[in-house]
Formats: sequence, structure tokens, C-alpha cells
Amino acid sequence: SYVLTQPPSVSVAPGKTARITCGGNNIGSKSVHWYQQKPGQAPVLVVYDDSDRPSGIPERFSGSNSGNTATLTISRVEAGDEADYYCQVWDSSSDRVVFGGGTKLTVL
Amino acid sequence: EVQLVESGGGLVKPGGSLRLSCAASEFTFSNYNMNWVRQAPGKGLEWVSSISSSSRYIYYADSVKGRFTISRDNAKNSLYLQMNSLRAEDTAVYYCARDSPYCSSTSCYGFDPWGQGTLVTVSS
Repeated sequence: SYVLTQPPSVSVAPGKTARITCGGNNIGSKSVHWYQQKPGQAPVLVVYDDSDRPSGIPERFSGSNSGNTATLTISRVEAGDEADYYCQVWDSSSDRVVFGGGTKLTVL
Repeated sequence: EVQLVESGGGLVKPGGSLRLSCAASEFTFSNYNMNWVRQAPGKGLEWVSSISSSSRYIYYADSVKGRFTISRDNAKNSLYLQMNSLRAEDTAVYYCARDSPYCSSTSCYGFDPWGQGTLVTVSS
């Protein structure tokens, strides 16, 4: 089965840039989506199809995907960005939705 | 505002059954594929099942296949998850999620929005 690997945690100072990676075999050939989940809340889609933003999501959130790694980039990080972030793909070879294990973003 | 409201969670003994419901409003329910995703306490997201808009296509995670059944009633704008032979490891918050409105000609990208979730606890 297809596996997505995320670092358990990433820390960044306010105003700096956070990069959260999502590794998978030839993930560059797949469409990757990212979710933000704050404590006690449901997940929210922040990037879809590798690099597009849903309406209402700040331009500070961006994404890229190539080779074996997809990346969610959060520029000018704010305290309110502190949350868990999950990547997700559709694995067409098994007809399964796959989530990464999640990354906890800490704003120092 | 698009809204998804789950219900039906609770405490159930191992081997028992439970039926979750998700009531949808403020969008044309019959046009969208729907999904269930769960999250065990303190753990990450785990996809459970998906159903196409017409119920023609249904998919399950290996961990629930043969025990859970997803269904929908487009006339009632409702999604369901029938859970049988429940195990302790099925304990989780269960979220109902709609396919996002961001689509190509062949598929939609991601889940948006999500409901607030309903807690299922399997314990004796």
C-alpha cells in the first residue's frame, strides 16, 4: 500500500518560513492536498492539487510537488498557524485515500 | 453556509454495532461524492470510506472492509456509516467530509468541508 511520510514536528519563529514535507514513492505523479487541524477542530483544506489555494486561505500558504517529495510552505508564520498539518493523496493503484501521519507545527 | 452535521456516536461494547449519520445542508448533496474519515484519540487522520454521488462507486479502508457499510440517501441529504463487529481500535472521532468543489474533468481535489465529528468509543 502507498505510504506518505511526514516529519512529526516542525518549529519556526514568528515571521519566518515553515516548510513541511510529505514523502512518497513518485509522489510527483500524484495530486497532493494539505489540511490544517487546530486542537479540538475539524481539518480544513489549505492547499489542493499540489499548489492551489481554496478561497479564503491566505496567500502565505503554498505548495509544491516533485519527485518523491511534496512540500507545504507557510510564509511569514503567525502564532495562529500553530496546528497539525496532514498531506493526502488518492492512490489509484489500490483505490484508497491515503493520509500522511501529520506534522505538528510549533511557532516559537 | 455549507454544513455537515454528524450524529449517532456513543459508547458501544466490543462486537457491537452503531450507525452514524451525516446531515448535509446548503449544497446540492446529490452532486457530490462523500467520505468518512476517523481520528483515534491523539492520533492522525485515517480514511475510512468513500461513496460516489450516485452510490455506484464505494471504497473502504482495509481496516474496516467487511465490517463497515457506507450508504447515502440523496432524497434526505444524508450520509450513513453502518459499523458492525466493532473493536477497541475503532474508537475515534468520525468525520463526515464532502469532496471539495475544486475539480478537474475526472476527479475532485481533497475534502472540503468537514463536519465537526462524532465520537465513537468501543469499550466493555
